[in-house]
Amino acid sequence: GAVVSQHPSRVICKSGTSVKIECRSLDFQATTMFWYRQFPKQSLMLMATSNEGSKATYEQGVEKDKFLINHASLTLSTLTVTSAHPEDSSFYICSASPQSYNEQFFGPGTRLTVL
Amino acid sequence: AQKVTQAQTEISVVEKEDVTLDCVYETRDTTYYLFWYKQPPSGELVFLIRRNSFDEQNEISGRYSWNFQKSTSSFNFTITASQVVDSAVYFCALISGGSQGNLIFGKGTKLSVKP
Repeated sequence: GAVVSQHPSRVICKSGTSVKIECRSLDFQATTMFWYRQFPKQSLMLMATSNEGSKATYEQGVEKDKFLINHASLTLSTLTVTSAHPEDSSFYICSASPQSYNEQFFGPGTRLTVL
Repeated sequence: AQKVTQAQTEISVVEKEDVTLDCVYETRDTTYYLFWYKQPPSGELVFLIRRNSFDEQNEISGRYSWNFQKSTSSFNFTITASQVVDSAVYFCALISGGSQGNLIFGKGTKLSVKP
């Protein structure tokens, strides 16, 4: 149980295009979903927290207009990187929390490369 | 402020050696949770353990063991008789009671186990 999927697992796009990444909880309802970014050889940094049906809460320094997060249902959250640039190339990982905040299940990650 | 420090950036051992990965945390909350995750080269985070602040019992799971000491704010992880498959980056992480699920990760320790 507690499986989280991400799609796509890998994406290469041209600079200036937008990319959408989906995060799904497959066998549970996720009250809260989290989006993390991980640059090569670095740790995971929280980008934003989203609760179903409400606006996401972004961490300091994360541009909400660039990284659009939608949490339309209890099993799906999407992250859209708008007008992507090479510096947005990174590993994006989502996690989902069923009820208690101290339990998070991670997706397999999406590797984004912007040319 | 919450913080997780993993002082060891990289560790290299030979197969069958025991190895301990250090984790020191900081938080002012009395309720918090500590985690260890394994991240193999594929990138997916593998959950290893969660410990709450009220449970200082050490835990053993197969070749893995964890030593939680509140007196020194440490949550160290030991792998006994290491194997090549243990090679990965290991992250220690913290959720504090008032953080609404914000997982604070350490910078990670890269473990290389050589045959």
